[in-house]
Amino acid sequence: DAKTTQPPSMDCAEGRAANLPCNHSTISGNEYVYWYRQIHSQGPQYIIHGLKNNETNEMASLIITEDRKSSTLILPHATLRDTAVYYCIVRPPWSYGKLTFGQGTILTVHP
Amino acid sequence: EAGVTQFPSHSVIEKGQTVTLRCDPISGHDNLYWYRRVMGKEIKFLLHFVKESKQDESGMPNNRFLAERTGGTYSTLKVQPAELEDSGVYFCASSGGTGRHEQYFGPGTRLTVT
Repeated sequence: DAKTTQPPSMDCAEGRAANLPCNHSTISGNEYVYWYRQIHSQGPQYIIHGLKNNETNEMASLIITEDRKSSTLILPHATLRDTAVYYCIVRPPWSYGKLTFGQGTILTVHP
Repeated sequence: EAGVTQFPSHSVIEKGQTVTLRCDPISGHDNLYWYRRVMGKEIKFLLHFVKESKQDESGMPNNRFLAERTGGTYSTLKVQPAELEDSGVYFCASSGGTGRHEQYFGPGTRLTVT
């Protein structure tokens, strides 16, 4: 699986947009970008995924650069409950669903 | 619809004892996964079932770990005998697609081996 690089930690003010970057410069053409998060003491939670087009759902938006070497997860109006570890995962379809977690980014949303 | 459930939520056992963790996936999900996080480390994949068959068990650390999925429904993960380094949080996840779709995780079982 392609390796991803994320900043170890970020801060965000409540109500503001949180923009979490991820570098995946070795991504292959058919690999998807997935984002998960883990709120303290809970299991990881799926957020969003994409291949090459930008994606949006009720939780977040995913912006993938044209060369697909990096992406940004956007939480448009961060709340205190969004404080969590966010994981960017790149995965080929033939991995049969295995997720490879890195260190992730600890996002702290403060009042 | 019920999510992925795991039992127990917490288990404390002594080194050398046996522990069995259980996971009930979301109804209808053919894919079931086990992961674990040991202290200070990243979440690591253990194995993947498709229905009752082991699709990928490349992450199983050694033969002290035995996973089963009876009838393609719930799954158990047995650790026998438990060692101190087995302490951590064991997560189960399930997905309903071909493996490319999102995985839904349970709350985890915190295993403490003393």
